[in-house]
Amino acid sequence: DAGVTQSPTHLIKTRGQHVTLRCSPISGHKSVSWYQQVLGQGPQFIFQYYEKEERGRGNFPDRFSARQFPNYSSELNVNALLLGDSALYLCASSLELAGGHEQYFGPGTRLTVT
Amino acid sequence: GQNIDQPTEMTATEGAIVQINCTYQTSGFNGLFWYQQHAGEAPTFLSYNVLDGLEEKGRFSSFLSRSKGYSYLLLKELQMKDSASYLCAVREDYGNNRLAFGKGNQVVVIP
Repeated sequence: DAGVTQSPTHLIKTRGQHVTLRCSPISGHKSVSWYQQVLGQGPQFIFQYYEKEERGRGNFPDRFSARQFPNYSSELNVNALLLGDSALYLCASSLELAGGHEQYFGPGTRLTVT
Repeated sequence: GQNIDQPTEMTATEGAIVQINCTYQTSGFNGLFWYQQHAGEAPTFLSYNVLDGLEEKGRFSSFLSRSKGYSYLLLKELQMKDSASYLCAVREDYGNNRLAFGKGNQVVVIP
């Protein structure tokens, strides 16, 4: 079975631009979460979606938005990019919303903002 | 707020045992997870504790004390491929899968 997939794998943008990152969860998984991981740090929670609804939001500005589609895939959008947005963006899927179900992470999208 | 603390780096010899500690202070608690992350790769799930005590899974064991806000991951019979960052993460709420991660502990295994 395919794991969590993310696209693109690498991306270079300039300040002020916007970016869309994509994630496809493991087949049958209904929940998708997004994390930002800056070099040398642990992942920071951005959003969780379950059944196409936002079920959690981390401490990120409104420039960050996301959505989940009927097939449970998800997009993360970041507007007005700043240098500090350079990071590895991880998508994680889980079977259900919560309750001990482990999250499976995708390979990530490495975003570089210049 | 949340505070999850891990030592930053340790070096150990192949075949040895290493213990990685994690202390946490969070507004709620609904489980603690350990993940392994090789450089440039995604985190992979190792273990999950929600009740006090030791969970054993092959060469990896994880311990939790909720009253002390403390967990450790024990790696036995270290192999070179175990060189990686080990991330401790706490789920604060029952109703979602939001994880609060520590910075990770870099383990370097030497021959």
